[in-house]
This record gives sequence, C-alpha cells and structure tokens, in this order.
Amino acid sequence: QLQLVESGGGVVQPGRSLRLSCAASGFTFSSYGMHWIRQAPGKGLEWVALISYDGSNKYYADSVKGRFTISRDNSNNTLFLQVNSLRAEDTALYYCAKDSHLIVAAKNFDYWGQGTLITVSS
Amino acid sequence: DIQMTQSPSSLSASVGDRVTITCRTSQSISSYLNWYQQKPGKAPKLLIYAASSFQSGVPSRFSGSGSGTDFTLTISSLQPEDFATYYCQQSYNTPLTFGGGTKVEIK
Repeated sequence: QLQLVESGGGVVQPGRSLRLSCAASGFTFSSYGMHWIRQAPGKGLEWVALISYDGSNKYYADSVKGRFTISRDNSNNTLFLQVNSLRAEDTALYYCAKDSHLIVAAKNFDYWGQGTLITVSS
Repeated sequence: DIQMTQSPSSLSASVGDRVTITCRTSQSISSYLNWYQQKPGKAPKLLIYAASSFQSGVPSRFSGSGSGTDFTLTISSLQPEDFATYYCQQSYNTPLTFGGGTKVEIK
C-alpha cells in the first residue's frame, strides 16, 4: 500500500529554519518526481516545489525561491524540504505528493501524505 | 505565471443535482488541466487528469472537458459523499498553479 508520511513541522519564530521529511513506501520512489504543496489555514492549495525522479532537476514557486530547497534520498525513500528564513505567510500545512507519471513528470499529484504543519509566529 | 480562475467559489446543491464547475486559465494550456477533490481535514484526491481522463477508482458521475483556456468539471448526479471543495490545477508549466477552489455545500 502506497504511503507518504510527512514529519518535521512545528512552531517556529520568523527567520528561523526547519527541515521537513516525507517517508515514502509502497512504490518505486526512485522512479517518480515528487512535490511539496502547502495549504494555509482555511485557504487554497499552493504548489511549492518539484524534484525530478533522480534529483537532477528542481523547480520552485516564486514565493519560496531562494529560501526553500527540495532534495531527496532515493536510497532511503525520503523526500526533504529545507525551509529557511521563515515568514508568517509560510504558515501552512505542507503536503508531499507523488507525481503521477513514471520518470518524466506529468506535474500532477496522484498520492498525497496527510501533511505536516508549520506555524511561524513570534 | 499561469493564472487560474475558478467559478463559482461556492455553490449549494441538492443530492441528485447536476453540478458544473468551471476553470479558466490566463493562457492556453492545451489539455494540461487536472481536478482534485478535498474533504475537510483530508488531503486532496486526484479526480481527473489531462482535462478529461478519469483517475482510477473515480466514479463515472464525474467528468471533465475542455481545452485551451476553458475547462469544466461536471458531477452528473450529486451524491452525499461529493460535498467537498474542488480545485483545478494546470500542469502545463512551472510554477504549477491551482484555482481558488469551489466549495460544494448541501442545500
């Protein structure tokens, strides 16, 4: 059974950093692009970042470019998001999601985790 | 960036009603349009990809259509489990973008 389990969220002061993790199981992790998507409380969905199946290509939303870094460890089936210089507007539930297409990303999301919450507050 | 305009932002409907949600993009995206359903406290679920293709396990009462800049999600006969928020998303290019969502509520 395919599973994505996020961790690493928490309450953090503005300007601080966190590292989110997403443990994947039930599929060949190293064959799929992976995404981070976030949802502020009571708001809509915002795509954050995409990493290709092999980690060679990374794409970011303008709102996080230069502050967030997506990475992956295919030997341990884990996706990461390093979030630096956090701002109040980064407060959200952060989901990891699997791309639906093998190797070449279709850029849509067929499986999602349950999310990990980042709250940025002084 | 490609802007996504979804309408309506909310609607009230009864069980058995036909419901239509529209999504308009700021530039042509061919058929690179996907639809998701999100229930309260849950992660979104992919319903339709490539504008009109069903994700595995999605009931046939859901259908998608459109190409270019105008797209539609239709629920042919609304069921109790369909009350949720629906989002469109373009997969034409990065940054990937979502519509603002349509909340389908019980009348």
